[in-house]
Amino acid sequence: GAVVSQHPSWVICKSGTSVKIECRSLDFQATTMFWYRQFPKQSLMLMATSNEGSKATYEQGVEKDKFLINHASLTLSTLTVTSAHPEDSSFYICSARKQGAPSGEQYFGPGTRLTVT
Amino acid sequence: AQSVTQLDSQVPVFEEAPVELRCNYSSSVSVYLFWYVQYPNQGLQLLLKYLSGSTLVKGINGFEAEFNKSQTSFHLRKPSVHISDTAEYFCAVSDHGGRGSTLGRLYFGRGTQLTVWP
Repeated sequence: GAVVSQHPSWVICKSGTSVKIECRSLDFQATTMFWYRQFPKQSLMLMATSNEGSKATYEQGVEKDKFLINHASLTLSTLTVTSAHPEDSSFYICSARKQGAPSGEQYFGPGTRLTVT
Repeated sequence: AQSVTQLDSQVPVFEEAPVELRCNYSSSVSVYLFWYVQYPNQGLQLLLKYLSGSTLVKGINGFEAEFNKSQTSFHLRKPSVHISDTAEYFCAVSDHGGRGSTLGRLYFGRGTQLTVWP
């Protein structure tokens, strides 16, 4: 077990619109979920950490009003990119940490490719 | 804070050859160490992890890694690679999650692209 899904897998939207990405842990409860952004040929950049029922903790330089994160249950977290612009185009990956799992052991979703036109 | 250095951005090898992907880390606290693999347009998959105990860790797909505390290294090895091993490999560290920790945050290296040629 330890499967994480993301929906949608890819999305194209117009500049100025908002896009919501879902991240679900399918067969376990996730105390913590993480959201990453990855540019081509680069490593993952942590955007924020979210714990169920509390506000997300954003990394320095990440606009919390632009990237809204909601972690409403132990199996679902959402990332909403508000008023998207072409520079927001990227590969967004979520991950989840199981209850009781060692620190750092995360299970990753397949990613969402966002293209803003 | 922790940091991870992957010395090689690209490693080309021929099929059935051995390979070593290098990883060094720095940290002021004890860490857990991980190797993740990413296939094109996919998320990351856990290859192996070092939490404690034996310094030689075996993972999936025939990979293994050795934790060397004195050299602060965690190099990934495979004795004979396949074309299907072509992917991006990320080394990562995390603190132990105790008081004052970063709550399970992973610090990634920049990645090493392993390309296996026939």
